Amino acid sequence: QSVLTQPPSASGTPGQRVTISCSGSSSNIGSNYVYWYQQLPGTAPKLLIYRNNQRPSGVPDRFSGSKSGTSASLAISGLRSEDEADYYCAAWDDSLRGVFGGGTKLTVL
Amino acid sequence: QVQLQESGPGLVKPSETLSLACAVSGYSISSGYYWGWIRQPPGKGLEWIGSIYHSGSTYYSPSLKSRVTISVDTSKNQFSLKLSSVTAADTAVYYCARQPYDSSGYYVDYWGQGTLVTVSS
Repeated sequence: QSVLTQPPSASGTPGQRVTISCSGSSSNIGSNYVYWYQQLPGTAPKLLIYRNNQRPSGVPDRFSGSKSGTSASLAISGLRSEDEADYYCAAWDDSLRGVFGGGTKLTVL
Repeated sequence: QVQLQESGPGLVKPSETLSLACAVSGYSISSGYYWGWIRQPPGKGLEWIGSIYHSGSTYYSPSLKSRVTISVDTSKNQFSLKLSSVTAADTAVYYCARQPYDSSGYYVDYWGQGTLVTVSS
């Protein structure tokens, strides 16, 4: 059982905009930054969003993050086939531990 | 460019101790940052295990704390994970990672490629 809650799956067609939600509590998302990771099949996760809505160098601006209260969202616009992957949200918890969501499998139809 | 590489046995017997090392290149562990371990059971999500600073200061997951030891060897620029009394539930891909501090907590910016550890007799 993951500390952060994500939908297990999401889907969209090429060019579409999709969003993935992440729900937590006051001790993690509510009081700390949210991070998003993309995991392509058979590879290690890659940092996609940091500090709620910042993109590391090299991450397309099609990816955006937001946070409100104890929830966060990742939005992907102009969906492309190469976006098909698992997406994880993460945060630091005030109990001094890292916490992850259970992951969302994004399918591009 | 920071690179991390896990190494260790791919098969561990139940009740024994899982031992992995992570070699860091492109950055000196002594220069800063926390360095951590995350695991992913086959077909499942990510689980944070714990982190260590070059001084030896550690954070551990409460659910694993009684069985986990993370240590650092700055002379070799590597850090290690030991997980005792393993069961089949500990079968997972184990990732080592760099964990910067970001004003409110720690996150992962660089990941190793991961190594699969299977617990089986």
